[in-house]
Amino acid sequence: GAVVSQHPSWVICKSGTSVKIECRSLDFQATTMFWYRQFPKQSLMLMATSNEGSKATYEQGVEKDKFLINHASLTLSTLTVTSAHPEDSSFYICSAAGRGRIRELSQYFGPGTRLLVL
Amino acid sequence: AQTVTQSQPEMSVQEAETVTLSCTYDTSESDYYLFWYKQPPSRQMILVIRQEAYKQQNATENRFSVNFQKAAKSFSLKISDSQLGDAAMYFCAYSAGNMLTFGGGTRLMVKP
Repeated sequence: GAVVSQHPSWVICKSGTSVKIECRSLDFQATTMFWYRQFPKQSLMLMATSNEGSKATYEQGVEKDKFLINHASLTLSTLTVTSAHPEDSSFYICSAAGRGRIRELSQYFGPGTRLLVL
Repeated sequence: AQTVTQSQPEMSVQEAETVTLSCTYDTSESDYYLFWYKQPPSRQMILVIRQEAYKQQNATENRFSVNFQKAAKSFSLKISDSQLGDAAMYFCAYSAGNMLTFGGGTRLMVKP
């Protein structure tokens, strides 16, 4: 149990385009989803938290108009990087916490998405 | 604000030996959770073990165990009988609700 998928795993795009990353909880209801960014050899940096059906809460310094988050159902959250620029290149990881046959208050992570903006 | 500190950027251990990774945290909460996550080269974050602060008994999961010292705000991870597959980044994390606060990580190398 507690499987979180993330798609795509790899994406290369041109500067100025938008990229959508999907995060799905496969076998439990994700009442809360989190989006992180990780630079090489660094820890995870929380970008935003989203509860199903509510607007996302962004961490300080994260542009909400650039990183659009939608959590429309209990199993799906999407992160859209709008008008991507090379400095947005990074590893993006989602995680989910919720209910079902999982341990509550534990976060389960997706496999991550590598974004390269040319 | 809560902070989590991992003072060992890198550790190495001989295969089959035991290694302990350190973690300290700062909080004013009395009820919280502590976690150790493993991130292998694939970069998939894997939950290794978790500890509820209200439980005095240290959590164990097979070869992994913790030494939770609440008064000292210390939460170390012991890996027994280390295996080559244990080589990874290990992150200590704190949560008083849903949000996780991560430490900077410790890179564990396992020597054959």
